[in-house]
Amino acid sequence: AQSVTQLGSHVSVSEGALVLLRCNYSSSVPPYLFWYVQYPNQGLQLLLKYTSAATLVKGINGFEAEFKKSETSFHLTKPSAHMSDAAEYFCAVSDGGKLIFGQGTELSVKP
Amino acid sequence: DAGVIQSPRHEVTEMGQEVTLRCKPISGHNSLFWYRQTMMRGLELLIYFNNNVPIDDSGMPEDRFSAKMPNASFSTLKIQPSEPRDSAVYFCASRQLMGTGANVLTFGAGSRLTVL
Repeated sequence: AQSVTQLGSHVSVSEGALVLLRCNYSSSVPPYLFWYVQYPNQGLQLLLKYTSAATLVKGINGFEAEFKKSETSFHLTKPSAHMSDAAEYFCAVSDGGKLIFGQGTELSVKP
Repeated sequence: DAGVIQSPRHEVTEMGQEVTLRCKPISGHNSLFWYRQTMMRGLELLIYFNNNVPIDDSGMPEDRFSAKMPNASFSTLKIQPSEPRDSAVYFCASRQLMGTGANVLTFGAGSRLTVL
């Protein structure tokens, strides 16, 4: 079965600093990978997805992620954090017909 | 489109009572998922349907939980009897079922259940 592991349940950055949220996957086949964001008291919404078309994937709100097969990683980055980026971020992998989520990383942004 | 619609948004009930959560998927989506979110266990897939047929219910915690999808525009998740450990946020999500797993899930806003 496919799985993802998010390293760090909580990340804190200063406004304007680089955001790096880590995700490693376990998959026996080329995976489909996703990053979702959840703002307080809301559902999850898609940031970006990887479907093997390109290893560097650009998403909404200035986020991007790079698929690295050699490292089995799909880390999420944003060059400059904004206060509005404070939320919980989930990495996910498609497993057959299902989407399996990591444990989530809460991002805090300090002024 | 109004998105995935869940009701109720909040439910507070007493242990032993029956709870029914409802979901209306996006029109045209033919795959529907129920997830549960807790601090301890994160996001867990409970069950999913393709074309109204349950495909995988291995995540349903126990027989107290049941889910149905009588038609393409409606699904329910029922807990009977409810217990305090069922307190969680329950999310419904839908997508178009196509050839690959690359299709994006659209989530509802969730139903927050508190069992006293």
